Amino acid sequence: DGGITQSPKYLFRKEGQNVTLSCEQNLNHDAMYWYRQDPGQGLRLIYYSQIVNDFQKGDIAEGYSVSREKKESFPLTVTSAQKNPTAFYLCASSIRGQGRHEQFFGPGTRLTVL
Amino acid sequence: GENVEQHPSTLSVQEGDSAVIKCTYSDSASNYFPWYKQELGKGPQLIIDIRSNVGEKKDQRIAVTLNKTAKHFSLHITETQPEDSAVYFCAASMSGNTPLVFGKGTRLSVIA
Repeated sequence: DGGITQSPKYLFRKEGQNVTLSCEQNLNHDAMYWYRQDPGQGLRLIYYSQIVNDFQKGDIAEGYSVSREKKESFPLTVTSAQKNPTAFYLCASSIRGQGRHEQFFGPGTRLTVL
Repeated sequence: GENVEQHPSTLSVQEGDSAVIKCTYSDSASNYFPWYKQELGKGPQLIIDIRSNVGEKKDQRIAVTLNKTAKHFSLHITETQPEDSAVYFCAASMSGNTPLVFGKGTRLSVIA
């Protein structure tokens, strides 16, 4: 099956610890994205990457970091500098250019910081 | 940058009635407008999209209309069913590689 996988589905961490969320896609998409979702806030862009070894900050990048060493993988690290990390995190991917914009989303990871 | 406003934030309809969700955008350069449906605890799924060279698009019970002059677009769901209950998001982007900008979502409840 082609698609996007995120793991784990639920994640609990103590305050002050860094945590890394996994996102893998086998759709051969060039672009990948990380969004944060809070109740009533919609989807806010954290980071995105349009090509391997390159990524750009989104609207709420502070306290987060990413890497894009492989086309199929785009892990997100929530650092201790993120003041309110408890949220639902969504990863997405899309074909770059070609007039195609459809983003495919993963199932999400719910992070709770205790 | 682009800003997308979505209304209403919640919407309740009787089964069989129609539902309409409206979005406005700020950047006249935006030319791609998708709608996503998100069920509880899941990632959003694309249900329909429209590009700026088209004024209306329909797929069975779902339709989207676009008014580029007024910079607004709407989602219309006819003959609503309980399984239509979900959160719906609109979004906008320019062509090329600009990320989507999302509205804050509408929670639709279809009452049987």
